[in-house]
Amino acid sequence: AQTIHQWPVAEIKAVGSPLSLGCTIKGKSSPNLYWYWQATGGTLQQLFYSITVGQVESVVQLNLSASRPKDDQFILSTEKLLLSHSGFYLCAWSQRAISNERLFFGHGTKLSVL
Amino acid sequence: GDSVTQTEGPVTVSESESLIINCTYSATSIAYPNLFWYVRYPGEGLQLLLKVITAGQKGSSRGFEATYNKETTSFHLQKASVQESDSAVYYCALGSSNTNKVVFGTGTRLQVLP
Repeated sequence: AQTIHQWPVAEIKAVGSPLSLGCTIKGKSSPNLYWYWQATGGTLQQLFYSITVGQVESVVQLNLSASRPKDDQFILSTEKLLLSHSGFYLCAWSQRAISNERLFFGHGTKLSVL
Repeated sequence: GDSVTQTEGPVTVSESESLIINCTYSATSIAYPNLFWYVRYPGEGLQLLLKVITAGQKGSSRGFEATYNKETTSFHLQKASVQESDSAVYYCALGSSNTNKVVFGTGTRLQVLP
């Protein structure tokens, strides 16, 4: 069975500090990977997606970057956090393009930027 | 742009009562949108509840139903008799058949009272 693990579960960070969030998918080769973000009271927004190792497409510009160093790993990062980065980050995978495929989500990371 | 609007929560109903969570969409850049309902139960990750990819069709799962209405651009979620275990956050979502993107609503928190 496929599993998706996100880390950390929660983070409290200072404005201007760096951030790295991770996601690992086990039991599925060559998945499509996604990062989503939800501000408090906001919609769940797609930030990035990756179809293959080393390739990442940006969907929304939020002064964040993403990388896929391995087939089963997706990293979200920034060198300088902003207050507006606070929220809930979700990693997800799908078997193919997500237009009509189901997404499988991790449990998410709650980020508070102070 | 493409967007999804759904009932603002929290929604509180008593067990065995009927439920409707409204969802309307705007698909300005999507020729053939696909529609989804996702759910997040307490302590669990976001997961697919049901999906419909053809206008006029109905999807169902766990006693919930939703009909894809292209004329009214709606995809309301309904259940005839809710249970306490249905307490969760429900998200309506819109997928494009020609892009690798899914647009989510803000989510509706449902609380079912015993």
